[in-house]
Amino acid sequence: NAGVTQTPKFRVLKTGQSMTLLCAQDMNHEYMYWYRQDPGMGLRLIHYSVGEGTTAKGEVPDGYNVSRLKKQNFLLGLESAAPSQTSVYFCASSYSFVGEQFFGPGTRLTVL
Amino acid sequence: AQKITQTQPGMFVQEKEAVTLDCTYDTSDQSYGLFWYKQPSSGEMIFLIYQGSYDEQNATEGRYSLNFQKARKSANLVISASQLGDSAMYFCAMREGIHTGNQFYFGTGTSLTVIP
Repeated sequence: NAGVTQTPKFRVLKTGQSMTLLCAQDMNHEYMYWYRQDPGMGLRLIHYSVGEGTTAKGEVPDGYNVSRLKKQNFLLGLESAAPSQTSVYFCASSYSFVGEQFFGPGTRLTVL
Repeated sequence: AQKITQTQPGMFVQEKEAVTLDCTYDTSDQSYGLFWYKQPSSGEMIFLIYQGSYDEQNATEGRYSLNFQKARKSANLVISASQLGDSAMYFCAMREGIHTGNQFYFGTGTSLTVIP
């Protein structure tokens, strides 16, 4: 089992460009999450999904969109990247909302 | 107000000694969960332990235990018999229930260094 995988691992964007981060899990988990981690601020929840076709906003959703068209995939989109979105992005999944979250390795995004 | 507060930016502990990492939380929900995660320098997030708000016993997982004091809203992590491999960032996190929006919050972390 691969667990939770994230694509790409690193990316550099220019301000205004768009991109999509892909998260995939092979554990048949219903719940999936996108976080960002900034220095000194811990992880902050961007969006999450409680099942295929459903999404919900987290603590810091502005500037991001998500989609969960297939149970195993959770996409995070940046329509018009800004330098403030420079961060490390983590995807996670869990069997239930109260359960342990399994994290991917992270994507380091730099917006110039 | 901060949902999760970790007041110790950095901690040192001697190998084989026990250490307590502090965490306080803020929620008005009756149903919530508390988690601790470890992040080594390699960057991955590793689940350590979970405590539900209705659990009467303190959670334990091997060398990790969670000192849950509900009235004080604290959920401190105790690591017994520290090992060199325990050197990492430790994050406390909280899941709020449906009445407060089903959100997850992480603290800013505590950097633990185990000294040989």
